[in-house]
Formats: sequence, C-alpha cells, structure tokens
Amino acid sequence: QQQVKQSPQSLIVQKGGISIINCAYENTAFDYFPWYQQFPGKGPALLIAIRPDVSEKKEGRFTISFNKSAKQFSLHIMDSQPGDSATYFCAASKETSGSRLTFGEGTQLTVNP
Amino acid sequence: SAVISQKPSRDICQRGTSLTIQCQVDSQVTMMFWYRQQPGQSLTLIATANQGSEATYESGFVIDKFPISRPNLTFSTLTVSNMSPEDSSIYLCSVVGTAFNYGYTFGSGTRLTVV
Repeated sequence: QQQVKQSPQSLIVQKGGISIINCAYENTAFDYFPWYQQFPGKGPALLIAIRPDVSEKKEGRFTISFNKSAKQFSLHIMDSQPGDSATYFCAASKETSGSRLTFGEGTQLTVNP
Repeated sequence: SAVISQKPSRDICQRGTSLTIQCQVDSQVTMMFWYRQQPGQSLTLIATANQGSEATYESGFVIDKFPISRPNLTFSTLTVSNMSPEDSSIYLCSVVGTAFNYGYTFGSGTRLTVV
C-alpha cells in the first residue's frame, strides 16, 4: 500500500491551545485527503476532508492546510478542548475510483484542562 | 451518511476456532471494505468486498484465513478462521456510498480477543 506518514505520534496541548498534526504522502494520484477522529472503543469518524484543488478548508475549529507541491497536509485544531482528546488519523485515496483509504500511523492527542 | 451496524461488538474466542463478523448498512453502497486495527495501531485494509464476486485481498491477507461474503449492496461478512492470539484486533467495516460526498463511513468495530 502507498504510504502516508503522520507526525507526531503523540501530542499534549493545553486547553485553548492549537493542536497541529502533519501528514505527508507519496502517491501523486491521491485526490482525497480526510482526517478521522477515533475515541476508544469506537470506529473512526470523519472529521474533515479536502481535495487538492484548494489549499485550505475550515469547518468550525478544525482546519486542513494542503500543500500539493510538497505533498503534505495538516490538521489544525483551534481552541483545543479536553473533549478533543482522541486519536487522529490522516488518510488518502483516489476518490474518483472509489479506492480504499491509506491511513497514517495516527496521533494520540491529549488536551489538558 | 450511511449508518453501519456491525456485529458482534466484541468477542473472546478460543484459539483454532472461527468467528464471523457481520456488517449491515442502512442504504445501498458502492464499496465495502474490511480493515484490521491492532492495539494502538493504525488501520490496515484486509480486503475490498465485491458484490456478487470474490473479494479483493491486500498483500498479506488470504481468502482461506479471511473469507468474505457480500451477497448484496447492504451486507457483508468477514470470517476470521483458525484463530490465533495474533488475530486479536479490532475489525472494522467501512463503506462508500453511491454519492461520495459523505466519504468513507466506518462501523464501530468488532473487538476480538483470541485466547
């Protein structure tokens, strides 16, 4: 499977701070880049996604920044809250073919009160 | 987005036995996938469940170990055969709807422990 590299592996942020998680991909055919949030005992839930025709997408406190030339994208969580504490996965796929997702390694985010 | 019911939610099984996991979707979907998530790890695709034909397996996964059925556009099963403790993982069903706008949806997973 094509790789998607994610960092950091774990992240601790104070309440109200900004959480930033980074991902890099190899396959230039990827055209769909979602972020998933997973709480213990639950399946991953789609948080936000971007396609390579835009450089940024914002939904509430969550923003994806996308750098096509560098083959990198990142998730920014503004005003981080303890309820945001979860594992976050970036992923990539070739949406137009409905192909399967390739996941990053995951980031364990802890937001301290 | 599609709503997925995955059963069982968890099970403890004896080594050498088999477990069949069911994935039921509330609407017809184009693609169905089975993933494995080992403790503390990311998700790894096992196979794509094809409606009316044999599943497409990823490297490292074989049909004899993980037989998959998909009799229609809303239902699939994954069997973990001849289990060993190394099969202890969370198994997740994922779907993509006919309208891709909602992306990939995941079930809540089956937490399998093999003893």
